[in-house]
Amino acid sequence: KQEVTQIPAALSVPEGENLVLNCSFTDSAIYNLQWFRQDPGKGLTSLLLIQSSQREQTSGRLNASLDKSSGRSTLYIAASQPGDSATYLCAVEGYSSASKIIFGSGTRLSIRP
Amino acid sequence: DGGITQSPKYLFRKEGQNVTLSCEQNLNHDAMYWYRQDPGQGLRLIYYSQIVNDFQKGDIAEGYSVSREKKESFPLTVTSAQKNPTAFYLCASSPEGGPRQYFGPGTRLTVT
Repeated sequence: KQEVTQIPAALSVPEGENLVLNCSFTDSAIYNLQWFRQDPGKGLTSLLLIQSSQREQTSGRLNASLDKSSGRSTLYIAASQPGDSATYLCAVEGYSSASKIIFGSGTRLSIRP
Repeated sequence: DGGITQSPKYLFRKEGQNVTLSCEQNLNHDAMYWYRQDPGQGLRLIYYSQIVNDFQKGDIAEGYSVSREKKESFPLTVTSAQKNPTAFYLCASSPEGGPRQYFGPGTRLTVT
């Protein structure tokens, strides 16, 4: 059974720092991996999606990498800003059912001005 | 504007009452999903539907029911059989064969 883990559960850094959020998964047979952003009390916004054949995706100050063999993904945020404060969740989709996505519990990120 | 709407944003009910959460999308997506989120936890799949008039149980379907009579709508009923219904409920949709899911703003249900 696929399990997705995100450590740490919470992270606080000063504005301007580059930072890395981690995601690990137990079953490397994944179809894709997504990183989502969730603001308090809101829905999820998809940030980056990495297909199983890809190693990384970039969007602006965000870069996500995928290493299927080790069951790891990282989300790199460059030059962090207070507006980046949110919870970041990763989610993997397996081949067994394209409709089921397994989510991690998220990392709550706080950027201090 | 295309998107997914969920109503209401906040919902309060007494224990023992059934309650229905609304989810509507105008993205012309075939698949729709209901998730539950508890504090400090990820999302857990309740039910999903890949086509009109068809739906499947997710990981935590007990105490919930759904219908999919129209492509645009996928309401979720939280029944009195759900032992711990207080949670944040998120609806999502995706195009046929598409991996990316689009989420609604969520409904926070409180049962006392």
